[in-house]
Amino acid sequence: ETGVTQSPTHLIKTRGQQVTLRCSSQSGHNTVSWYQQALGQGPQFIFQYYREEENGRGNFPPRFSGLQFPNYSSELNVNALELDDSALYLCALSGGGDYEQYFGPGTRLTVT
Amino acid sequence: AQSVTQLDSQVPVFEEAPVELRCNYSSSVSVYLFWYVQYPNQGLQLLLKYLSGSTLVKGINGFEAEFNKSQTSFHLRKPSVHISDTAEYFCAVKDTGFQKLVFGTGTRLLVSP
Repeated sequence: ETGVTQSPTHLIKTRGQQVTLRCSSQSGHNTVSWYQQALGQGPQFIFQYYREEENGRGNFPPRFSGLQFPNYSSELNVNALELDDSALYLCALSGGGDYEQYFGPGTRLTVT
Repeated sequence: AQSVTQLDSQVPVFEEAPVELRCNYSSSVSVYLFWYVQYPNQGLQLLLKYLSGSTLVKGINGFEAEFNKSQTSFHLRKPSVHISDTAEYFCAVKDTGFQKLVFGTGTRLLVSP
């Protein structure tokens, strides 16, 4: 049981603001990936962190940034929010050798 | 670049009937294949995965999928669906050298009495 948690559950922000989303687990999986899921779409890969360093990035601008901490928890930061950033943001943990990614319940971000 | 195509955006089916959700992928390298289920307002739950070996993979909740390399397909099947199977289903591919998952656009399975 990986018990991936994300906070907050829901968030409403205004265009131009900044937001920080959080992901944590007690599983010890050392790799965290972040995905953006727009309404009616499949998740899109934002980036991945391994041992506190970015280990790959999708087609997202630099205003999307992240951090991974020594306890493997992670943050996703988005600056200068745009309306199109409204989506469900999912974090996924991996690195246990079973090639599976364990997803959290997501944070629903609404930008008005 | 890898891509995943889920041809059906929505599949309506009656309870206890069989169902197949189709998935095709494009990749020139060895891949790992996954099916995830997403219930309303929830994250993704792994149904099953193909890494290697037998092309018929069995997963949770009575689902199974068959990997067909020549047709680059990984269709999901269940012989008898329940109302509780109503959800969004995502097919995903990962190349063997990187942890990134590439998802299809999803298929909404609607099971009615």
